Amino acid sequence: AQKVTQAQTEISVVEKEDVTLDCVYETRDTTYYLFWYKQPPSGELVFLIRRNSFDEQNEISGRYSWNFQKSTSSFNFTITASQVVDSAVYFCALDLTDSWGKLQFGAGTQVVVTP
Amino acid sequence: GAVVSQHPSWVICKSGTSVKIECRSLDFQATTMFWYRQFPKQSLMLMATSNEGSKATYEQGVEKDKFLINHASLTLSTLTVTSAHPEDSSFYICSAQIAGVPDTQYFGPGTRLTVL
Repeated sequence: AQKVTQAQTEISVVEKEDVTLDCVYETRDTTYYLFWYKQPPSGELVFLIRRNSFDEQNEISGRYSWNFQKSTSSFNFTITASQVVDSAVYFCALDLTDSWGKLQFGAGTQVVVTP
Repeated sequence: GAVVSQHPSWVICKSGTSVKIECRSLDFQATTMFWYRQFPKQSLMLMATSNEGSKATYEQGVEKDKFLINHASLTLSTLTVTSAHPEDSSFYICSAQIAGVPDTQYFGPGTRLTVL
């Protein structure tokens, strides 16, 4: 069963626009980790963030920000003032305590930023 | 930072041949490594968990006799695709967990396999 849902297959924006990527997860565990990775055309996964289930504080890192809402099981990611270099596939992933390290990835969202 | 390498980065082979892919943790020891497969325009799917000194555990639907995994040292795991066929063409990505730190892992750059 799909435990991580990224409903948006592709999002196209013009440079400098903001873009928000949705991630909804499903688990009964109380302890877990959530991740976001970026996969540019080269294929190599780039780690963006790891958040444990006990830390619901939103986080900002430069143009990136994350909104973690346990009440709705969502961990959304926003890129502010997008740039062409942000064009990539972005994956949300879930790591559960009964299977540490076995990341369950969402389907991914392709972000296309045009000049 | 922790670095994981994969070799080769890409390989093209004929149907029926076997291909070995290496995953190395360059600056840390990894008791556990994971192998993922990613078909074009799809997500990453976990294939197997490789533990140093023991047999790998495979996810449901993954043929262990076709995808041989060996984790002979704390810094090296290998994935051998035996008797490869065109449907095995995919992007194979490994990740390595730092020994003693189970909630942190680092991904390799991936290996693109094309079977003709």
